[in-house]
Amino acid sequence: QVQLQESGPGLVKPSETLSLTCTVSGGSFSSGSYYWSWIRQPPGKGLEWIGYIYFSGSANYNPSLRSRVTISVDTSKNQFSLRLSSVTAADTAVFYCTRAGLRGMDVWGQGTTVTVSS
Amino acid sequence: DIVMTQSPDSLAVSLGERATINCKSSQSVLYSSNNKKHLAWYQQKPGQPPKLLISWASTRESGVPDRFSGSGSGTDFTLTISSLQAEDVAVYYCQQYYRTPWTFGQGTKVEIK
Repeated sequence: QVQLQESGPGLVKPSETLSLTCTVSGGSFSSGSYYWSWIRQPPGKGLEWIGYIYFSGSANYNPSLRSRVTISVDTSKNQFSLRLSSVTAADTAVFYCTRAGLRGMDVWGQGTTVTVSS
Repeated sequence: DIVMTQSPDSLAVSLGERATINCKSSQSVLYSSNNKKHLAWYQQKPGQPPKLLISWASTRESGVPDRFSGSGSGTDFTLTISSLQAEDVAVYYCQQYYRTPWTFGQGTKVEIK
C-alpha cells in the first residue's frame, strides 16, 4: 500500500523560501501511471492545487503560483519536493502531497502545517 | 481555469435521511476520447486529509459505502448520500481533473440536524 509523508519546517519567515519533501513508500514511485502532486489548504479554507511532477521530472504548475513554485523529484530516494519562494502570511497553510492518476488524487499524505511568520 | 461551484455551502440532514450536494463546472469535463467525465468527489473529516470517494463522476472507490453515489452530465454533477450516518459528517469537495490547473469546488459542509 502506497503511503506518502510530508516533511519540512513548520515555520518560515516572510520573504523566505518554503521547502517541503514528500517521501513515497510501499510502491513504485517511478510508475508511469501517476503524477505526484502538491495541494495546500489555508486555515479554515478550501483546497488549492499547487502543481505536479511526473517521475521523469516533467512538471506542471498552477499559473497563480508558477512564478514562485518549483517541484522536483529524486527517484533514487523515492521523494519529490516543493519549493515556494517569497512567501507571505497568505501562504500559511496545511500542505499535502498526493498521488494523482486517472481517477483523481487517490493517495494523500497526512499533511504538514506551515506557518509564515517572523 | 475551470471554475467549480458547489451548492449548498452547508447542509444539515437528519440521520438516515438523504443528503444531496451539487457541483457545477464552468465548462465540460467530459473527455471525448474516452467518454469519461474527469470529476472526482472527496470527503474531508476534521484534522484529516481528503479522501477520494468517487472518480469519473460516478465510480465509487474501493471500500466506499454504497450509500455514496455520484451522477451528472458534462457540467452538472451530484453527490448523494442516501442515508446519512454520523460518520459522514465532513466537508465534501468536487474536483475536475480534465484540465490543469486542477480545480476544486469551495466545499460543502454536511452536519447532522
